[in-house]
Amino acid sequence: GESVGLHLPTLSVQEGDNSIINCAYSNSASDYFIWYKQESGKGPQFIIDIRSNMDKRQGQRVTVLLNKTVKHLSLQIAATQPGDSAVYFCAEKIGGSNYKLTFGKGTLLTVNP
Amino acid sequence: EPEVTQTPSHQVTQMGQEVILRCVPISNHLYFYWYRQILGQKVEFLVSFYNNEISEKSEIFDDQFSVERPDGSNFTLKIRSTKLEDSAMYFCATASGPPNGGDGYTFGSGTRLTVV
Repeated sequence: GESVGLHLPTLSVQEGDNSIINCAYSNSASDYFIWYKQESGKGPQFIIDIRSNMDKRQGQRVTVLLNKTVKHLSLQIAATQPGDSAVYFCAEKIGGSNYKLTFGKGTLLTVNP
Repeated sequence: EPEVTQTPSHQVTQMGQEVILRCVPISNHLYFYWYRQILGQKVEFLVSFYNNEISEKSEIFDDQFSVERPDGSNFTLKIRSTKLEDSAMYFCATASGPPNGGDGYTFGSGTRLTVV
């Protein structure tokens, strides 16, 4: 079965609101997670990552939370802007692999002005 | 900001034909990857390449696929005899280290392959 998945396929928010995008994973051996943003016609763009020995990591306007107990990952975007509109993917690296990332299906975030 | 460059951006080919997709990695990167994304679906791992050899590959990467760095800079993906189901966006990604923290891949903009 699929190891990485997303709770919500679409999310629509108002400009200035905070956004939360969720991701569930099922492989307890996953040791590294990345959030990517993909705009139309472009390749995935790295946003933020987190190792499995952490539960929170912050970047500029973004925070990733990792709950290993329930195998859940979330991306929080503060003060969402129209330029944040894109598909967001979570990806995991399973501990037994040194190179491969497994991607989830993606959540489409739409920011309304 | 350094970029991964892929050519062509779009390729249309007849079923059964060979195609070569090209990627120019970021100059100090040593780890190279190919992923593909069928329209509307998730990004799927194909192969990783390090130290001039394949380090890991998926079940998708069968004998019809091959990768190489022919001149030490370009990184290519060859599909020997294309099938309709090979139609997808193919992404090259490169990194300075393995994905284990602090070094996510940099993806190119992709090559859209259409097999007719």
